[in-house]
Amino acid sequence: DVVVTQSPDSLAVSLGERATINCKSSLNVFSSANNKNYLAWFQQKPRQPPRLLIYWASTRESGVPNRFSGSGSGTDFTLTISSLQAEDVAVYYCQQYYYTPQTFGQGTKVEIK
Amino acid sequence: EVQLVQSGAEVKKPGESLKISCKGSGYTFSNYWIGWVRQMPGKGLEWMAIIYPATSDTRDSPSFQGQVTISADKSISTAYLQWSSLKETDTAVYFCVRSSSLGAHDAFSVWGQGTMVTVSS
Repeated sequence: DVVVTQSPDSLAVSLGERATINCKSSLNVFSSANNKNYLAWFQQKPRQPPRLLIYWASTRESGVPNRFSGSGSGTDFTLTISSLQAEDVAVYYCQQYYYTPQTFGQGTKVEIK
Repeated sequence: EVQLVQSGAEVKKPGESLKISCKGSGYTFSNYWIGWVRQMPGKGLEWMAIIYPATSDTRDSPSFQGQVTISADKSISTAYLQWSSLKETDTAVYFCVRSSSLGAHDAFSVWGQGTMVTVSS
């Protein structure tokens, strides 16, 4: 299986400050056939199902605030929350969907400092 | 509105069988891959398997092969996850998921509410 590793496991950020989560895939998830990176980001709040935030590594899902952005290519990716809000407290997961089985990172818990 | 509505929580004993369901609505069920993601208590997300209802073509994880069976009935827009002999380690929340577009390799944009399965003697 492709191993997807997130860092850090947790982080505490002050309200209004930037939060950055990294995601590394053990194999390249970029397809030269369609110029896309098969990498998604999800947000999960307690007792809720995950919510898709970002797909194709950098495309924001409809309704997702523009303070969330994704970047990277190949094997290394980043989710950035530009100005952390109280409602952003959650666990964030990245997922590669290029290879079967698709695999998730272990999750990063974001809290308020 | 596109929705996936899952069956309710289950409490079972080791060795028992179980089939949980996921009903899709608001879209053409046959045309989108639908699958299952496991979340054990306090843990992360694990991709289990997906199925294309129009043809019943499946893709699954070696970690779950032989442990569970995924199926779908397109006539009633419902997907299933089935166990023939539960173990205590199957205790988890199981999420039904749908791909965002028509391919097997698309992000999961629609999630069910989750079904809690508890296996305990």
